[in-house]
Amino acid sequence: GAVVSQHPSWVICKSGTSVKIECRSLDFQATTMFWYRQFPKQSLMLMATSNEGSKATYEQGVEKDKFLINHASLTLSTLTVTSAHPEDSSFYICSAATGRGSYNEQFFGPGTRLTVL
Amino acid sequence: AQTVTQSQPEMSVQEAETVTLSCTYDTSESDYYLFWYKQPPSRQMILVIRQEAYKQQNATENRFSVNFQKAAKSFSLKISDSQLGDAAMYFCAYRNGNKLVFGAGTILRVKS
Repeated sequence: GAVVSQHPSWVICKSGTSVKIECRSLDFQATTMFWYRQFPKQSLMLMATSNEGSKATYEQGVEKDKFLINHASLTLSTLTVTSAHPEDSSFYICSAATGRGSYNEQFFGPGTRLTVL
Repeated sequence: AQTVTQSQPEMSVQEAETVTLSCTYDTSESDYYLFWYKQPPSRQMILVIRQEAYKQQNATENRFSVNFQKAAKSFSLKISDSQLGDAAMYFCAYRNGNKLVFGAGTILRVKS
């Protein structure tokens, strides 16, 4: 099956620093990757959609200068939380889609827990 | 905008019994996909079952089946012979095009 990894699985950082989260599709090429944010016991909220080689499309209300997304290759997308603050503490999940088949199914990574002190 | 509503924040079921999780959605599209995802304590999202809107036949995957009522915009999940490992948060999701829209989720507790 299609496997998506995320690194790191958890990170603690000081307020004002930047944190980079990597999302990799291990055994397939992902034309599109998605980044979600999930607060405890809440649903997944789509932050942005990224296509390889082009700029990410951000959802309304998501600050593009704060959440920098790069999709440099068909197997790697990164999310950088710049000048992180405690309110950015959350669980960040990525997913990847092949763009093929009728389902164009999204395969989810295991998530990254970010804690900003 | 499409919305997905899960009206049951929490549900409980006895082991080996059957439970149904509710989901309704709102869309003006005629062609779309619906999904149920399971998120166990590990928080890894796991696809449980999917349904294409153009298919009248309800999808089934082993102990999991759906009741898809397109006119009513309803998409419930039935879990038969519930097992302890079924305990998790369940999300209903709608997809038209690229994006998934998730419901608020239902926490399912399984009692032994």
